[in-house]
Amino acid sequence: AQKITQTQPGMFVQEKEAVTLDCTYDTSDPSYGLFWYKQPSSGEMIFLIYQGSYDQQNATEGRYSLNFQKARKSANLVISASQLGDSAMYFCAMREGYAGKSTFGDGTTLTVKP
Amino acid sequence: NAGVTQTPKFQVLKTGQSMTLQCAQDMNHNSMYWYRQDPGMGLRLIYYSASEGTTDKGEVPNGYNVSRLNKREFSLRLESAAPSQTSVYFCASSPRQGAKFIATNEKLFFGSGTQLSVL
Repeated sequence: AQKITQTQPGMFVQEKEAVTLDCTYDTSDPSYGLFWYKQPSSGEMIFLIYQGSYDQQNATEGRYSLNFQKARKSANLVISASQLGDSAMYFCAMREGYAGKSTFGDGTTLTVKP
Repeated sequence: NAGVTQTPKFQVLKTGQSMTLQCAQDMNHNSMYWYRQDPGMGLRLIYYSASEGTTDKGEVPNGYNVSRLNKREFSLRLESAAPSQTSVYFCASSPRQGAKFIATNEKLFFGSGTQLSVL
């Protein structure tokens, strides 16, 4: 079974608008971490934001916030005030406690329109 | 501040040839990982090493071997390359606290990737 599901292969957003990228996960481990990474066309992987399974509040990092709904097993990334430079592929990943290995979703390609 | 260094950046092999991808990190991280990324896809874990002296299979280990040479270095070997192994390979590392992992911000630090083509 897919551990990380990103249901939006591609998304479009107008510059300066907000956009939500969906991510659902599946785990029976009570200790886990959820991560979002950005991969621009140049290919490098850039860490954006992290949410721990025990964290009570949603994580925020500048224009990025994570909408964490534990009961629904979802960890959606919200990008506020989109910029042209936000055009990239975005990956949701989960790190599970016991094994310590990270599993990635298939990604969402975001295109910001001027 | 080098971080995670992968070599080579590009490689073309013929079917049946062997090669080793090198990875080194200078952040004193415990855990190291090898991922592959096929076009338009997410990253799939090939092998990982939770700590020096240990290695474990990931999702797609067939056709690969790894060596955790020391705490800094984690190499990936293709013994007999096949066209299906054409991909971009990423090495990554993370601090990892130890056997009892409690969710902390242990993000992955990635190398710049190796574009491998097998003809």
